Amino acid sequence: NAGVTQTPKFQVLKTGQSMTLQCAQDMNHEYMSWYRQDPGMGLRLIHYSVGAGITDQGEVPNGYNVSRSTTEDFPLRLLSAAPSQTSVYFCATQGAASYEQYFGPGTRLTVT
Amino acid sequence: SQQGEEDPQALSIQEGENATMNCSYKTSINNLQWYRQNSGRGLVHLILIRSNEREKHSGRLRVTLDTSKKSSSLLITASRAADTASYFCATVVYNNNDMRFGAGTRLTVKP
Repeated sequence: NAGVTQTPKFQVLKTGQSMTLQCAQDMNHEYMSWYRQDPGMGLRLIHYSVGAGITDQGEVPNGYNVSRSTTEDFPLRLLSAAPSQTSVYFCATQGAASYEQYFGPGTRLTVT
Repeated sequence: SQQGEEDPQALSIQEGENATMNCSYKTSINNLQWYRQNSGRGLVHLILIRSNEREKHSGRLRVTLDTSKKSSSLLITASRAADTASYFCATVVYNNNDMRFGAGTRLTVKP
């Protein structure tokens, strides 16, 4: 099993461009989430989903959109990239019976 | 805002020594978790302690929780060079799907 996969690993965008960060899981977990990690800081929750068709905002949702059409996929869309969105983005899943989260390897995004 | 705050921010020890990291948080919690992050990688779950537990062990890891002081500690005994990583505490509050992370402790274990 692949667990949680994220693509791309690295991405450079110009200010104003849009893009989608992909996250896929084969663990059949209902809960999925997106975090960003900035230097010297812990992870901050952007958006999360408790199941297909259900999404909700986390701590820092502005500038990002999500959708959850299937259990397996939870893409994160940057509508108009800004330098403040330069960060490392992590996707995570969580099973229904546990609070433990499983993280993907991350996407390092640079916005110039 | 971050829920957990780790202390110290950085810790450097010799192989074989014990490492202790602390975490303080602000609101009542359902559980507290510790994660490890190796450089350039995603986080890996280490251990979870529930609000009604005071101490938990897993291999060389020992976690304590003091809900009256809103604090937790992670002890790694007989440290190894492979333990070099950043360690984060994360809290889950009641009736909330949010998990809030602290800024982490960067542990370096010298061979």
